[in-house]
Amino acid sequence: SAVISQKPSRDICQRGTSLTIQCQVDSQVTMMFWYRQQPGQSLTLIATANQGSEATYESGFVIDKFPISRPNLTFSTLTVSNMSPEDSSIYLCSARTGGNKQYFGPGTRLTVT
Amino acid sequence: GIQVEQSPPDLILQEGANSTLRCNFSDSVNNLQWFHQNPWGQLINLFYIPSGTKQNGRLSATTVATERYSLLYISSSQTTDSGVYFCAVEGAGTASKLTFGTGTRLQVTL
Repeated sequence: SAVISQKPSRDICQRGTSLTIQCQVDSQVTMMFWYRQQPGQSLTLIATANQGSEATYESGFVIDKFPISRPNLTFSTLTVSNMSPEDSSIYLCSARTGGNKQYFGPGTRLTVT
Repeated sequence: GIQVEQSPPDLILQEGANSTLRCNFSDSVNNLQWFHQNPWGQLINLFYIPSGTKQNGRLSATTVATERYSLLYISSSQTTDSGVYFCAVEGAGTASKLTFGTGTRLQVTL
């Protein structure tokens, strides 16, 4: 299994600013992902964080808006750039172990005013 | 892309009752997982079950990959089972990406 922590747990930000979310896994994992969950909705994959190379983004998400880093096998960051109220959401870090099970962090609740 | 639909969307049970949640998917899958999102938002992995049947305590799951569905059984439900249950699948050829279903919101009452 994998235990995932995220910082910050929540934040309130002004429009036009940026927020960087950190994700730490307690063990080396093969894959890391970032998801977004809007209130009352399901989860949507933003990107796969690739260790040592550029992230792979899903349709509708771009690197300029959501830059991602993954410097090693246990850590990743997601930045939400030039925020607008539409970016208010829960952002979830996820990791997959060698056994293919996927685990999630507690999420970062972002409110943009 | 692959479509994942769950039913029912909402379910209210009395404590002690049993329930069956269904997940239908539109294409072949390499990976299927069930998650429980508790009322505080934490997602817990319940099962990795691309095919076959597994049991863990009061929970069990069955995936019939050839017929493109999976079932999650909850027996003797408890109030702590409340929350949202998600099915997530990785379509064949989609490079390890899980697509989440619409979810079933379960409320267990005393």
